Amino acid sequence: EPEVTQTPSHQVTQMGQEVILRCVPISNHLYFYWYRQILGQKVEFLVSFYNNEISEKSEIFDDQFSVERPDGSNFTLKIRSTKLEDSAMYFCASSVRDSEDTEAFFGQGTRLTVV
Amino acid sequence: RKEVEQDPGPFNVPEGATVAFNCTYSNSASQSFFWYRQDCRKEPKLLMSVYSSGNEDGRFTAQLNRASQYISLLIRDSKLSDSATYLCVVIRFSGTYKYIFGTGTRLKVLA
Repeated sequence: EPEVTQTPSHQVTQMGQEVILRCVPISNHLYFYWYRQILGQKVEFLVSFYNNEISEKSEIFDDQFSVERPDGSNFTLKIRSTKLEDSAMYFCASSVRDSEDTEAFFGQGTRLTVV
Repeated sequence: RKEVEQDPGPFNVPEGATVAFNCTYSNSASQSFFWYRQDCRKEPKLLMSVYSSGNEDGRFTAQLNRASQYISLLIRDSKLSDSATYLCVVIRFSGTYKYIFGTGTRLKVLA
């Protein structure tokens, strides 16, 4: 069964450092998303991406965040200067189309720990 | 008011019990609804979609009440393997279709 894969599974970084979280969406999917989940809290939308540009972003997704699809397979989330409060599980998701009844498939997540 | 609200639980039930979760949403423009399951420190996985007419998948039944803006999930004959957090997800269109997650309801099925 096709799946969304994320690397690394766990990343520890020092405050102020840049991190890049990587995702390989399902190959025929066109819409890509990043969500995050702070430990013990709900899953929160960060950004959606289609046709090589951001479709929508939340207020969490400030200037410290950026996304990129550098080639035909990878979808990355970059945090330029990490803060302690960026520590969370980051989930990448993809869907074949953007419609109300389309399932988004989630990757297994990258646990980011900022120390 | 939160856009999607769930009782966080935990719900501790014995094996074989029937358990029901509710979820309320505040935005009447919400388009679609799902229940996802999340195991500890894992990704959310789709459990079932929720339709106005109600739908059933084995031991699981989902219902939607648009007038009262709530969604329910009923689990019959609960198994130990049903222990997880159940996430209510509301799809809202605001340029793109966005998943809005509830905080989740934690279920623990006891032997």
